Amino acid sequence: GESVGLHLPTLSVQEGDNSIINCAYSNSASDYFIWYKQESGKGPQFIIDIRSNMDKRQGQRVTVLLNKTVKHLSLQIAATQPGDSAVYFCAENQVDSSYKLIFGSGTRLLVRP
Amino acid sequence: EAGVAQSPRYKIIEKRQSVAFWCNPISGHATLYWYQQILGQGPKLLIQFQNNGVVDDSQLPKDRFSAERLKGVDSTLKIQPAKLEDSAVYLCASSPTGIYGYTFGSGTRLTVV
Repeated sequence: GESVGLHLPTLSVQEGDNSIINCAYSNSASDYFIWYKQESGKGPQFIIDIRSNMDKRQGQRVTVLLNKTVKHLSLQIAATQPGDSAVYFCAENQVDSSYKLIFGSGTRLLVRP
Repeated sequence: EAGVAQSPRYKIIEKRQSVAFWCNPISGHATLYWYQQILGQGPKLLIQFQNNGVVDDSQLPKDRFSAERLKGVDSTLKIQPAKLEDSAVYLCASSPTGIYGYTFGSGTRLTVV
């Protein structure tokens, strides 16, 4: 969904189901991408990363898929748990003379017990 | 390894007042970043330091914001004078080199009234 004003798009899932969070990135020249999890009152926490020469990378319960053709990233969380409830951001490294991460607008994940 | 330390955790000031935030990065991290995160949005980069030099401050509102990292270790971000729209969480991040190992602090929540 699209964010309106201060409202983040929200994904609500049942505990134990799989979650898929999507992100469209802006720069076709970006070469490195990270998914972050942010809980209330905390800074963003690294989940998983992927380089542009890959299209899939797996971690513990998480998988990131990269589609460079349409500039799209997704984060898949298997067997979603209540502790996964948070806001999720994708970030891209826009290639230029410096290294810095540019963040997307975020998706709120709510896990129903 | 100790994380990125930020202080204060919360600050409430009146508009037109001044405020300063402090960040101590992870030991040995050469690169330090300040981000502004407005409620419901992703973090937006304000300034990037490499050791004690500024690499990118293109998004810093220089008429009211300033930042320094005099000894290449800790950093201070200042706002003078503050406006209502400066209400946000100010996040500090550091990395050892380049884009890898990017770690965020918990942030300072600023409310301007």
